[in-house]
Amino acid sequence: NAGVTQTPKFQVLKTGQSMTLQCAQDMNHEYMSWYRQDPGMGLRLIHYSVGAGITDQGEVPNGYNVSRSTTEDFPLRLLSAAPSQTSVYFCASSWGGQGARGYTFGSGTRLTVV
Amino acid sequence: DAKTTQPTSMDCAEGRAANLPCNHSTISGNEYVYWYRQIHSQGPQYIIHGLKNNETNEMASLIITEDRKSSTLILPHATLRDTAVYYCIVRVTIYNQGGKLIFGQGTELSVKP
Repeated sequence: NAGVTQTPKFQVLKTGQSMTLQCAQDMNHEYMSWYRQDPGMGLRLIHYSVGAGITDQGEVPNGYNVSRSTTEDFPLRLLSAAPSQTSVYFCASSWGGQGARGYTFGSGTRLTVV
Repeated sequence: DAKTTQPTSMDCAEGRAANLPCNHSTISGNEYVYWYRQIHSQGPQYIIHGLKNNETNEMASLIITEDRKSSTLILPHATLRDTAVYYCIVRVTIYNQGGKLIFGQGTELSVKP
C-alpha cells in the first residue's frame, strides 16, 4: 500500500516549458486534489476532483490543467511555466461521503522555474 | 465553506498538554471540523475530525462546543516532534461538495524543552 505517490520529487524548468506532475493513489479514493505551497505560506487549492471524469477549479487554477480519466491518477499539467509557479506542489486523496477521514497527502514535488 | 480563525502561534512546554483553539462561528449543520498538521515542508497530516461530539484517537482529542462555533484540539503530552503548523478546517462532506478543502494560515505550535 503506497498511499499517494508524486513524481518527480524535484524539477527545474525553463520559462515557457510545459510539464506534467504525476499523482497516483492506490487506496481507491474518490476525491483527489492539487495544492501549491509557496515559501512561508499556507497551502492553496489549485484543482480538485470528486471522481473519475469530474474536476473543478480551486483558489488558484490559472496556468494549470487537470484531468481524471481513472480513479487512481490525477496529473497536473503546467502549460507554459512561469517563475511565479516556483513552489512545492502537493497531491492528496480522500474517501468521499459523510464524516470521511481526511485527505492523505503525498510528499510533494519541488518545482523551480528559471 | 465556513471560515476559521486560529491564533498565529503558540508555545507549549514538552510533556504538557497543548490546547489549540479554533473559531468557526459560521459553521453550518453539515460541516465537519477537521484538523491537520504540517511538519517542516512535509505534506500535511490528518489528525482528527468531528461533527458535534467530542472525539479522541491515538494522536489527539477534539472538543467541540455545544453550539459548534468553536473547537479545541488537545495534544495530551506534547513532545518536540509535535512542533508544527496546525490547521483547523471546516468541510462539507456531501458527495460532489466535500472535495474542496481550503487551508487557512494555521497555528504554529512550538514545543519547548
